[in-house]
Amino acid sequence: AQKITQTQPGMFVQEKEAVTLDCTYDTSDQSYGLFWYKQPSSGEMIFLIYQGSYDEQNATEGRYSLNFQKARKSANLVISASQLGDSAMYFCAMREGRDDKIIFGKGTRLHILP
Amino acid sequence: NAGVTQTPKFRILKIGQSMTLQCTQDMNHNYMYWYRQDPGMGLKLIYYSVGAGITDKGEVPNGYNVSRSTTEDFPLRLELAAPSQTSVYFCASSYLGTGNNSPLHFGNGTRLTVT
Repeated sequence: AQKITQTQPGMFVQEKEAVTLDCTYDTSDQSYGLFWYKQPSSGEMIFLIYQGSYDEQNATEGRYSLNFQKARKSANLVISASQLGDSAMYFCAMREGRDDKIIFGKGTRLHILP
Repeated sequence: NAGVTQTPKFRILKIGQSMTLQCTQDMNHNYMYWYRQDPGMGLKLIYYSVGAGITDKGEVPNGYNVSRSTTEDFPLRLELAAPSQTSVYFCASSYLGTGNNSPLHFGNGTRLTVT
């Protein structure tokens, strides 16, 4: 079974609109962490945001926020006021407490339209 | 600080050859990881290490070996290269484990082609 599921292979969004990238995860651990990374066409991996399983508040970092719904095992990334530079692949990842493995989803390719 | 350094950046191997992908970090991170990324796909975990002398298999370990004799270095060995190992390989490290906001720091990747 997949640990991290990203159901949107690709998305097209108009510039300045908000966009939500979906991520669901599967774990039986109580302690885990969720990450989002951005990979532009240049190939480097850029860390965006982190949510710990015990964090009561949703994480925010500038224009990025994480909509964490623990009971539904969902950790969606919300980008507000999208910009052309947001066009990239976005990966959701999970680190489990039992072994510190960090597993990535298949990613969502986001295209921002001018 | 150089961060995570991977060498080489590019390599072409013939089927059956062997090679070692080098990874070193200067941030005194305990946790190190090797991933492969096939074109248009996500990252698959090959091996990881939670400290010097400790290594564990990830999702796709077959055909690879690792060692972690020092905190800084985490080389990945391909013994008998196969076309299926054509991929971009990323090394990454983090300072703390689960329960902490300790993201992965990635190297720039090694693009490997096996023909």
